[in-house]
Amino acid sequence: EPEVTQTPSHQVTQMGQEVILRCVPISNHLYFYWYRQILGQKVEFLVSFYNNEISEKSEIFDDQFSVERPDGSNFTLKIRSTKLEDSAMYFCASSEGTVWAFFGQGTRLTVV
Amino acid sequence: GQQLNQSPQSMFIQEGEDVSMNCTSSSIFNTWLWYKQDPGEGPVLLIALYKAGELTSNGRLTAQFGITRKDSFLNISASIPSDVGIYFCAGQLGYGGATNKLIFGTGTLLAVQP
Repeated sequence: EPEVTQTPSHQVTQMGQEVILRCVPISNHLYFYWYRQILGQKVEFLVSFYNNEISEKSEIFDDQFSVERPDGSNFTLKIRSTKLEDSAMYFCASSEGTVWAFFGQGTRLTVV
Repeated sequence: GQQLNQSPQSMFIQEGEDVSMNCTSSSIFNTWLWYKQDPGEGPVLLIALYKAGELTSNGRLTAQFGITRKDSFLNISASIPSDVGIYFCAGQLGYGGATNKLIFGTGTLLAVQP
């Protein structure tokens, strides 16, 4: 069964460092998303991406965040200068249409 | 912003029991989805509901989209140990790309005693 894959599964980084989280969405999907989940809390929307541009972003997704689809298969989330409060699980998701978003296994980001 | 409140926060039940959890919102959604999350994993889609009043089943799971479009419930019948996890409702506002972000509920933790 096709699935969304994310790498790495766990990333530890020092405060102030840049991180890139990688995702390979399901191949025929057109809509891509990043969500995050702080430990013990609910899943929160960060950004959606369609037709090679951001279609919507939340107030969490400030200038420190960016997304890119560098080729036909990868979708990345970059955090330019990480802060302690960026520590969370980051989930990539994709959907063929506007519903039925499928989530990856997540990347656990720990900022120390 | 939109808030989705789930109840109960947690449930501890015996294997074989039926379970019911619900989700309420202060705003209207056009689509409701229910996800299950196992520890350290991503949410897995269980059921999607598209129309007010719709009742949909997926095996032992049944979910309904409330008539007011502000609530939904999920029932699990004859629970088994692998039902353990956190169940999230999620609402979606838009049709056709207007906005298709998901607003997640606060989650219901389900523990099943064998």
